[in-house]
Amino acid sequence: DTEVTQTPKHLVMGMTNKKSLKCEQHMGHRAMYWYKQKAKKPPELMFVYSYEKLSINESVPSRFSPECPNSSLLNLHLHALQPEDSALYLCASSQATGTYEQYFGPGTRLTVT
Amino acid sequence: SQQGEEDPQALSIQEGENATMNCSYKTSINNLQWYRQNSGRGLVHLILIRSNEREKHSGRLRVTLDTSKKSSSLLITASRAADTASYFCAGGADGLTFGKGTHLIIQP
Repeated sequence: DTEVTQTPKHLVMGMTNKKSLKCEQHMGHRAMYWYKQKAKKPPELMFVYSYEKLSINESVPSRFSPECPNSSLLNLHLHALQPEDSALYLCASSQATGTYEQYFGPGTRLTVT
Repeated sequence: SQQGEEDPQALSIQEGENATMNCSYKTSINNLQWYRQNSGRGLVHLILIRSNEREKHSGRLRVTLDTSKKSSSLLITASRAADTASYFCAGGADGLTFGKGTHLIIQP
């Protein structure tokens, strides 16, 4: 199984809401990532988890809170978002950090109203 | 900071023709990867080339790497309509830094 799944596919939330994005992989990968992609732009790295520990936070605002409950799951908790946070949020995994290909999920398209 | 800058930003060719995309980068790399993205969906890994490799093939794909010029190219031969997508080069030791991408359109 070389699939990374993400739920939900679409999410509309108000600026006062709290929501969570979920990502799952069953490839035994020990590195997982969150990327943010605005329309017609490349993905931008947000967070890197290595062996279930946060290893990189690319100066992401605290209204985005990642969590890695176990080696297969990655969550992104959202709170008090702004309309400019509307984007496609992509999860990815790889065997480990370093020189490995990353497998991407289909993304969650988030709209903040 | 962006690892790669693709050239051209957009490319439209006829089906059956070859498509070449270029990527230039600024910092030293251990490897360079190419990804494809169809219409705002997830990215698909195409090929990884290490810094000690000069050329790599995978099916209709050919990637070259010139570390002295800090550049890489992706060649898609005998293009098909299904190759219509955005193509990104990316590098990075941990998380990836992506170039701006080339939007490729294959005309039937």
